Amino acid sequence: GENVEQHPSTLSVQEGDSAVIKCTYSDSASNYFPWYKQELGKRPQLIIDIRSNVGEKKDQRIAVTLNKTAKHFSLHITETQPEDSAVYFCAALGVSPNDYKLSFGAGTTVTVRA
Amino acid sequence: DAGITQSPRYKITETGRQVTLMCHQTWSHSYMFWYRQDLGHGLRLIYYSAAADITDKGEVPDGYVVSRSKTENFPLTLESATRSQTSVYFCATSPNSNQPQHFGDGTRLSIL
Repeated sequence: GENVEQHPSTLSVQEGDSAVIKCTYSDSASNYFPWYKQELGKRPQLIIDIRSNVGEKKDQRIAVTLNKTAKHFSLHITETQPEDSAVYFCAALGVSPNDYKLSFGAGTTVTVRA
Repeated sequence: DAGITQSPRYKITETGRQVTLMCHQTWSHSYMFWYRQDLGHGLRLIYYSAAADITDKGEVPDGYVVSRSKTENFPLTLESATRSQTSVYFCATSPNSNQPQHFGDGTRLSIL
């Protein structure tokens, strides 16, 4: 099945600076890559996703890039704000026969310092 | 999100007991999923269902049983709870396999 690795596990940034989280995946056939944000004690919430036919996608201060050749994708948060403090999870959809399942990275705890 | 309701939100039980976690959705999504979340492991898939009466194992299915007699419900049963099953359990749904998954509020389960 799909294996997703996520780095770093923790990230501390100054308010206003950028944050970058990187993930690698193992299944070259994977074609869907969502990112989730989870605040303390809350549910994971989808913040952005990208499909394999696109190299980059932006939504206001959030962007995701995908490099299919290298099998890695990244989340970029610009102009970070205190409300960006949370745990972020990347995921990849395994597309082997009978294997349409999301595999998640272990998460990155982002802390934005005021 | 009111579309997915998990119950109970908190549960404390003892080892060896049977416990069932409920998940109900109002969206009529085909796919439903159960994940457990433990520190350092992220979200791990326990079981999923592509439609009523169709279920399949995920990454960590041992010790769990699921059923899906109706599209809107996907209960998860721990037949004989163990301390290693102490975790936060999330239910999720999606319209199909390659669409975004939406999560419920979770059930925090403690097994003493």
